[in-house]
Amino acid sequence: RKEVEQDPGPFNVPEGATVAFNCTYSNSASQSFFWYRQDCRKEPKLLMSVYSSGNEDGRFTAQLNRASQYISLLIRDSKLSDSATYLCVVNPMNSGYSTLTFGKGTMLLVSP
Amino acid sequence: NAGVMQNPRHLVRRRGQEARLRCSPMKGHSHVYWYRQLPEEGLKFMVYLQKENIIDESGMPKERFSAEFPKEGPSILRIQQVVRGDSAAYFCASSPTGSPGRSPLHFGNGTRLTVT
Repeated sequence: RKEVEQDPGPFNVPEGATVAFNCTYSNSASQSFFWYRQDCRKEPKLLMSVYSSGNEDGRFTAQLNRASQYISLLIRDSKLSDSATYLCVVNPMNSGYSTLTFGKGTMLLVSP
Repeated sequence: NAGVMQNPRHLVRRRGQEARLRCSPMKGHSHVYWYRQLPEEGLKFMVYLQKENIIDESGMPKERFSAEFPKEGPSILRIQQVVRGDSAAYFCASSPTGSPGRSPLHFGNGTRLTVT
């Protein structure tokens, strides 16, 4: 089983739609979780951290399910500018950045 | 406040040549990380440095790759005798701390290395 697994997509949705991505991780001892966004041929940028209780930032909601070892990202009212690749990132040992494990990403395409 | 600066943006090398990639962290950041992204792959950690010290190089290939972060100047990732498999995007990131739980990781815009 891969350390961090994501559906590569692409997810094609119209503007205004709600879309959700899941990500599974293999290390049950993982402590920190993040979603990063990466535009084509650009650098990754932190979208949001994922907390045990779930958290929301505007149109974006992240959830963590430790029992099933998956995290999710929900995007409401999709905008054209949301088109990007969304990277699921896990910190297996809650230590430094050297242990961050990145998924390959899920591509989202929002169309007019 | 300038972000993480990487140069060059694009680098073309023939097999057997050397590649030098530079990274200047954000002002006030003393922790530097190098990641590699192969085509259709996720980012892979390579090395973690603080000024004049390599803290963790567990992701570095054993041969041909080296990194430094001198007291003055940018961090350098050096690849000797490049091969086609080294073609990738190399991202540098910096942080004010070593803990992702306390501070986010800021990435530079990467150097795209092409080996012909």
